[in-house]
Amino acid sequence: DAGVIQSPRHEVTEMGQEVTLRCKPISGHDYLFWYRQTMMRGLELLIYFNNNVPIDDSGMPEDRFSAKMPNASFSTLKIQPSEPRDSAVYFCASSSEGQGIYGYTFGSGTRLTVV
Amino acid sequence: GENVEQHPSTLSVQEGDSAVIKCTYSDSASNYFPWYKQELGKGPQLIIDIRSNVGEKKDQRIAVTLNKTAKHFSLHITETQPEDSAVYFCAASNPLSGTDKLIFGTGTRLQVFP
Repeated sequence: DAGVIQSPRHEVTEMGQEVTLRCKPISGHDYLFWYRQTMMRGLELLIYFNNNVPIDDSGMPEDRFSAKMPNASFSTLKIQPSEPRDSAVYFCASSSEGQGIYGYTFGSGTRLTVV
Repeated sequence: GENVEQHPSTLSVQEGDSAVIKCTYSDSASNYFPWYKQELGKGPQLIIDIRSNVGEKKDQRIAVTLNKTAKHFSLHITETQPEDSAVYFCAASNPLSGTDKLIFGTGTRLQVFP
């Protein structure tokens, strides 16, 4: 398996622009998580899905952030409009509790810079 | 909700020495405790985990201990090598609560000097 695949690896955008981050989880995993990592706040859980359904989005900072999982093999995290304080590394992770695999597998992340 | 504290934030050791990282958690219902290693430019990678029905688990040079009464768990790395240099994160969750949400500690930057 190729693991969790995220794209793009790096994204530089101007303030006010829309940004879309993409994630392909490991095939067969039924949980998908979006995390944001910054020096100040560490790893923050933004939202997670179970069987494509959003379960907990309490970590989403504000209405500018939205996430979707249209099918079991694809998820997006969108920021619109983007702001400089959104600059961070965004990680996607998947797991499969149903298989007793509680540990997450993380993707390589997307480094977002908003100027 | 769960809160995980991790210490120290940075740790420097000489190659061959041991390194110990400690975490405490607040929710007594938590029963799954993984450790992740994050190398520069990469995502966190699971290196070892422990469940609450076990007090200690070992995998070659790394081991994790759990004290449920005190609600703390520790990562032990013996015979450290320069390639062990990375940021290490502890985490806690209660998979049987119906959520599977991991709460992470703030991380420990380990530097192993040759």
